[in-house]
Amino acid sequence: GENVEQHPSTLSVQEGDSAVIKCTYSDSASNYFPWYKQELGKRPQLIIDIRSNVGEKKDQRIAVTLNKTAKHFSLHITETQPEDSAVYFCAASRGYSTLTFGKGTMLLVSP
Amino acid sequence: EAQVTQNPRYLITVTGKKLTVTCSQNMNHEYMSWYRQDPGLGLRQIYYSMNVEVTDKGDVPEGYKVSRKEKRNFPLILESPSPNQTSLYFCASSLTGGEQFFGPGTRLTVL
Repeated sequence: GENVEQHPSTLSVQEGDSAVIKCTYSDSASNYFPWYKQELGKRPQLIIDIRSNVGEKKDQRIAVTLNKTAKHFSLHITETQPEDSAVYFCAASRGYSTLTFGKGTMLLVSP
Repeated sequence: EAQVTQNPRYLITVTGKKLTVTCSQNMNHEYMSWYRQDPGLGLRQIYYSMNVEVTDKGDVPEGYKVSRKEKRNFPLILESPSPNQTSLYFCASSLTGGEQFFGPGTRLTVL
């Protein structure tokens, strides 16, 4: 089955800095790569996703890049704010089937 | 209001006592799924369902059962719970297997 590795497990940045979280996947048939944000005590919520026919996608301060050849994808957050502090999960899927998550990255943004 | 609901939200039980966690969505989503979340392990998929009467195993199905008799409901059944099933459980639904909408979570403790 699919295996998703996520790094780093924790990331501390100063407000205004950029943050980058990286994930690798093992199944070359995976074609859908979402990112979820989970605030403390809350449910995960989708923040951005990308499909395998696209190399990059942006939504305001958040961007995701995908390298299918190397089987890795990354989340980029620019101009970080304290409210960006949360646990972020990457995931990979063949679409309408199993969804495999990485173990998560705890992002702490200090004012 | 579009939502995924789970019941109960908190449950403490004893080893071997059968229990059911209910999940319901009002968005007419075809795809539903169950995950467990454990510290350091991220979210792991237990079972998923692509439509009524269609279910399949995720990454960690052992010790769990599911059924999908109606489109809106996807209960998770633990026929003989054990302490290693102590976890935070999330139900999720999706229109097409893309963005998943998570329920509020059920915190289960098995003594």
